[in-house]
Amino acid sequence: GAGVSQSPRYKVAKRGQDVALRCDPISGHVSLFWYQQALGQGPEFLTYFQNEAQLDKSGLPSDRFFAERPEGSVSTLKIQRTQQEDSAVYLCASSLPPGHSNEQFFGPGTRLTVL
Amino acid sequence: KNEVEQSPQNLTAQEGEFITINCSYSVGISALHWLQQHPGGGIVSLFMLSSGKKKHGRLIATINIQEKHSSLHITASHPRDSAVYICAVILLTGTASKLTFGTGTRLQVTL
Repeated sequence: GAGVSQSPRYKVAKRGQDVALRCDPISGHVSLFWYQQALGQGPEFLTYFQNEAQLDKSGLPSDRFFAERPEGSVSTLKIQRTQQEDSAVYLCASSLPPGHSNEQFFGPGTRLTVL
Repeated sequence: KNEVEQSPQNLTAQEGEFITINCSYSVGISALHWLQQHPGGGIVSLFMLSSGKKKHGRLIATINIQEKHSSLHITASHPRDSAVYICAVILLTGTASKLTFGTGTRLQVTL
């Protein structure tokens, strides 16, 4: 496809379950970002990849959050032992390498609800 | 205090009105984005600017680096402009291209 895709679009999890959220960036985009958007708030940075390297994970809220991008394309954000405060929309964005255009292209997001 | 502040938080306008949304930031930036988010979550980038002014259709974005302030203007507003408009900045320090977001301005344009 031409844009960033994310799956699933909606996920309901029981407290304590593990979840995995997938992001397919635009082909050729080496930079990939994950953001978390709580209800009524602006998105907040979670982590950043350049190709397969995770260069910044300073926004991950706890060690229950883990992200990977093993082949430098698709990325997975995993949340272990989900808590109610993890309920949010998780947004993925991709862009060209640093030094090129900084415009980020966003996916539709995954809305996670933890019961 | 948030690094990026937007005003107003909520805005209701009648069709055809001229709309201004403001964004102020407190840190050094390399660029500023204006983003549009419709119900359902999808985010679209409207503008990225580091100086001056940009125009696209009925949308105009300006930035004053010295005053750390940007505005998004919508001329001849239409109900389809109803969305949340988010200002986001790329900080001079830290991860290249990482965005720091404002909380958004919810715009409702009525007939």
